[in-house]
Amino acid sequence: AQSVTQLDSQVPVFEEAPVELRCNYSSSVSVYLFWYVQYPNQGLQLLLKYLSGSTLVKGINGFEAEFNKSQTSFHLRKPSVHISDTAEYFCAVSGSGAGGTSYGKLTFGQGTILTVHP
Amino acid sequence: EAGVAQSPRYKIIEKRQSVAFWCNPISGHATLYWYQQILGQGPKLLIQFQNNGVVDDSQLPKDRFSAERLKGVDSTLKIQPAKLEDSAVYLCASSLGTRILEQFFGPGTRLTVL
Repeated sequence: AQSVTQLDSQVPVFEEAPVELRCNYSSSVSVYLFWYVQYPNQGLQLLLKYLSGSTLVKGINGFEAEFNKSQTSFHLRKPSVHISDTAEYFCAVSGSGAGGTSYGKLTFGQGTILTVHP
Repeated sequence: EAGVAQSPRYKIIEKRQSVAFWCNPISGHATLYWYQQILGQGPKLLIQFQNNGVVDDSQLPKDRFSAERLKGVDSTLKIQPAKLEDSAVYLCASSLGTRILEQFFGPGTRLTVL
């Protein structure tokens, strides 16, 4: 079974400061990793995904994430945040089909609320 | 391109009542998902359809929840009877197919059970 742990439930930060949202996953086989963002009263929007290849993944709105297999982590970063980045961020893992895991079935973390202050 | 549509956006009911949610996926998307998002938690998959067939309903509480996707397009999720712990946001998502990893989410229906 797969699981995802987002280490911080809330992250406050000032505008133009860098931010890192932490995500660790647990799986005995290869997985795919995702970050989604949810603005108030809206559905989830895909920020970026890691399937294979380069461990540094760039997404929309200036976000990037680094896949670290040895530490089973997929932390999300942005060098300079804006007020408009205030939202809830979800890390998710999907089975790759290997080892009997379900391909495409997303397991989400608990979410991290990012609040950007002026 | 129109996104995933859901209705109603909000619903308040008494416990033991019935409720139904509707989802219209993006045109051409064969795979449709229903998630339950309880306050303070991440979304949890309830059921996955491929066209009008069920792919995965292992986490659907079948004693009270049911879902259908007639003609492989729109879908409805029903709860009968509702319990207090069913209060949550119900999200619908769609993707081109089960082998396509990107899911597109609707705005959700916020259900409050009193």
